[in-house]
Amino acid sequence: DQQVKQNSPSLSVQEGRISILNCDYTNSMFDYFLWYKKYPAEGPTFLISISSIKDKNEDGRFTVFLNKSAKHLSLHIVPSQPGDSAVYFCAASGGGSGYALNFGKGTSLLVTP
Amino acid sequence: SQTIHQWPATLVQPVGSPLSLECTVEGTSNPNLYWYRQAAGRGLQLLFYSVGIGQISSEVPQNLSASRPQDRQFILSSKKLLLSDSGFYLCAWSQGATEAFFGQGTRLTVV
Repeated sequence: DQQVKQNSPSLSVQEGRISILNCDYTNSMFDYFLWYKKYPAEGPTFLISISSIKDKNEDGRFTVFLNKSAKHLSLHIVPSQPGDSAVYFCAASGGGSGYALNFGKGTSLLVTP
Repeated sequence: SQTIHQWPATLVQPVGSPLSLECTVEGTSNPNLYWYRQAAGRGLQLLFYSVGIGQISSEVPQNLSASRPQDRQFILSSKKLLLSDSGFYLCAWSQGATEAFFGQGTRLTVV
C-alpha cells in the first residue's frame, strides 16, 4: 500500500519560472518529510526536509511547505534552472521501521531553456 | 566525514544464480542501515532495515535476505535469483530520525 503518493509523474517548466512538485501521504504517524533529487543510475541526494512541527522550510531556491491537516506537502523551486532537471522523490518517516523512509514514485522535472 | 560505499555498480546474473551485494559506511558508528530497490518505472521500495549488528527487519516478503555482520557493513543476498529480482538496488544509512544518505546503487540484471 503506497503511503506516500506523487500523482504527477512528470512536470515541464520554463527556465526562470517556479516549479511546484506535490506529494500526499496517508499515514498520520509520519512526522518527518524529505525531498530527494535523483539522476539516472545514481543514488538519490538529499535536498531539503521539514518536521511536522513546522509548516515551511526554506533553503536557497528550495522551499518545502507542509499542510498536516491535508496530509500534503510541496516543493517549490524558484527560479528553476536547467540543472534542476531530475527525478524528485518525496519521502516520509515516523512510527517505527527504524526511521526508514517511505518514498513516493517520483516526479520527473524537466526545466527547459 | 561520512561516506557510503556500495558495489558492484552493475551486475548481470543468470536466473538461479546466487547474489551478494555489499555496502559499507565510514565515518559514523551504529548507523541505521537500509536496502531499497527501484524497479523500472517505480519508486523506491524499502526491502530491509537494520538498527544494529545482527538485527534485520524485512519489509517485503521476497527472494532476498540481508545480514549485518559488522556495525557498518550491510549485505544483500539471494540463494537463487529470479527474473523479477532485476532492478536498481540502493543502500542507505541514517542516524536516528534524520535524512538518509544513499550509495551510488547497483544495477542488477537477471537474465
